[in-house]
Amino acid sequence: SQKIEQNSEALNIQEGKTATLTCNYTNYSPAYLQWYRQDPGRGPVFLLLIRENEKEKRKERLKVTFDTTLKQSLFHITASQPADSATYLCALPLDSNYQLIWGAGTKLIIKP
Amino acid sequence: GAGVSQSPSNKVTEKGKDVELRCDPISGHTALYWYRQSLGQGLEFLIYFQGNSAPDKSGLPSDRFSAERTGGSVSTLTIQRTQQEDSAVYLCASSLASSGGVSYNEQFFGPGTRLTVL
Repeated sequence: SQKIEQNSEALNIQEGKTATLTCNYTNYSPAYLQWYRQDPGRGPVFLLLIRENEKEKRKERLKVTFDTTLKQSLFHITASQPADSATYLCALPLDSNYQLIWGAGTKLIIKP
Repeated sequence: GAGVSQSPSNKVTEKGKDVELRCDPISGHTALYWYRQSLGQGLEFLIYFQGNSAPDKSGLPSDRFSAERTGGSVSTLTIQRTQQEDSAVYLCASSLASSGGVSYNEQFFGPGTRLTVL
């Protein structure tokens, strides 16, 4: 069955540097992959979606890549700020399309 | 407009009691999802509603869990005879219709209900 792996250890980054988070999946390549941000005590908030035929997607300081050969998506935040500190989740669809499976998330800490 | 709302925000109950969790999705969103999130874990799918179609209940962990959605809007998740392992944050999300084909629709989440079973 499909599984998602995200680094469970917190990632500490100095303010102004680029933060890179990894999402690996184990089985079939999904039609798309989504990234969400979750702050403590709140529900996840959608950030970006990348389709299987897209290599890269950008939104302001965010960039997502999708490598179906490596079965991996990378999520980059450039010029990171303390306000970017949160847990970042990746999610991809099961065969049904509407049902997503989720990674456990990586906690990102941006230090001033 | 208003986002997804959930109530209560926190619920402490004793083992064996029944609890009801409520979700108000975004108006016009026909798809509604319930998830469970334990500390340090990813979201666990519980149930999915789409319009008037029969819900996908494949993620419900036991027959103690049930959910309904009235009038295609508000949804209630009921847990009967709660157990300590039911303690978690229960999240509700809604999205625009996903009728056939590939749906890329983002999911909009409520703040969750933190359930603690003593």
